[in-house]
Amino acid sequence: QSALTQPPSASGSPGQSVTISCTGTSSDVGGYNYVSWYQQHPGKAPKLMIYEVTKRPSGVPDRFFGSKSGNTASLTVSGLQAEDEADYYCSSYAGNNKLLFGGGTKLTVL
Amino acid sequence: EVQLVESGGGLVQPGWSLRLSCAASGFTFDDYAMHWVRQVPGKGLEWVSGISWNSGTIVYADSVKGRFTISRDNAKNSLYLQMNSLRTEDMALYYCARSKWISGSPIDYWGQGTLVTVSS
Repeated sequence: QSALTQPPSASGSPGQSVTISCTGTSSDVGGYNYVSWYQQHPGKAPKLMIYEVTKRPSGVPDRFFGSKSGNTASLTVSGLQAEDEADYYCSSYAGNNKLLFGGGTKLTVL
Repeated sequence: EVQLVESGGGLVQPGWSLRLSCAASGFTFDDYAMHWVRQVPGKGLEWVSGISWNSGTIVYADSVKGRFTISRDNAKNSLYLQMNSLRTEDMALYYCARSKWISGSPIDYWGQGTLVTVSS
């Protein structure tokens, strides 16, 4: 299985919106509504931000929005804040009880 | 508070073995599936292996199948990863993580990781 494809970097100014894509195949992203997004600050463990494509765990600001179209999932962060600067990873169920992660996107708040 | 604390990492030579452990607390351990996910420092995440609550379902990434063995001891609230025939490409920070089910539910908590270095 190949990793899901994410852009290596994304950026935006405070208050702006940015969207990060995550492209897979019909065997993973496109085949199941089990896409998650994780935020990872340097030296820290990943934190779940979005699950089942669009759902936010308790405590995650509604500035974080997940969506999916075909084999591509997206994470949109609106009203960018300095603390949103981090690495973001998507993951998807890939069948046969296996998980796939994306290569990660470094989000820079300018 | 959910806590996952990994241990057992270290420096080994290629071909050697290592056993990682993960001590869980703050939740009912046998209500959850568990996973190992690794990350080369500065690189992306790679799912390694998962085990259902009762060890009835065990799965591995192709990259480690046949060399790594995941197991759990619900009486001890512990997860393990036996790593044999280690390769330089196995060098990474290994995270212990939990999900409600072995499939169809997200990994919602992660430990801080234990570092495995494979070098001659």
